[in-house]
Amino acid sequence: EAQVTQNPRYLITVTGKKLTVTCSQNMNHEYMSWYRQDPGLGLRQIYYSMNVEVTDKGDVPEGYKVSRKEKRNFPLILESPSPNQTSLYFCASSLFYLAEAFFGQGTRLTVV
Amino acid sequence: SQQGEEDPQALSIQEGENATMNCSYKTSINNLQWYRQNSGRGLVHLILIRSNEREKHSGRLRVTLDTSKKSSSLLITASRAADTASYFCATDGNNNDMRFGAGTRLTVKP
Repeated sequence: EAQVTQNPRYLITVTGKKLTVTCSQNMNHEYMSWYRQDPGLGLRQIYYSMNVEVTDKGDVPEGYKVSRKEKRNFPLILESPSPNQTSLYFCASSLFYLAEAFFGQGTRLTVV
Repeated sequence: SQQGEEDPQALSIQEGENATMNCSYKTSINNLQWYRQNSGRGLVHLILIRSNEREKHSGRLRVTLDTSKKSSSLLITASRAADTASYFCATDGNNNDMRFGAGTRLTVKP
């Protein structure tokens, strides 16, 4: 089944404790991205990747890192999480930049 | 910053009625996409319309695009309770990025 898989689905952590949210797609898609969703603000793009080893900042990259060492994986790294990074995070992939995007089920992160 | 902005923010209708949502954007685009999100879940792609297209249909969905006004509309005909969800438009940005609006929350009452 074609899908985008994020893990974990839910995470509560403390300020400053490094964490990684994984994202994997099985569709051989080139374009992958991370979004955060906050009430009233819709989805805002954090980082995106056009292909392996090519990543770039989206609208709200501060406090986040990503890597794209393999085509299927695009982990989101929070080196030192802060409470303002409490949010619902989505990973998405598409065959190429302008194509239909497939979304993961989301990761609800709470930083206390 | 957001590229697309949906209007209205919330819409409540009775089952069987039509629902119309609008999206405005700021800069030129290659295409515009509409997505649906059920409460807290991942977004699901509904329809994509290219900048050289004016109208597109998919089942009960009809999307129009007016590039001169930088706006699009999504019409859901004969709505059902199962259509209750949030709807987002998405456009390409200037740097291979994607921009989503804040969404329209649609409630369809049985």
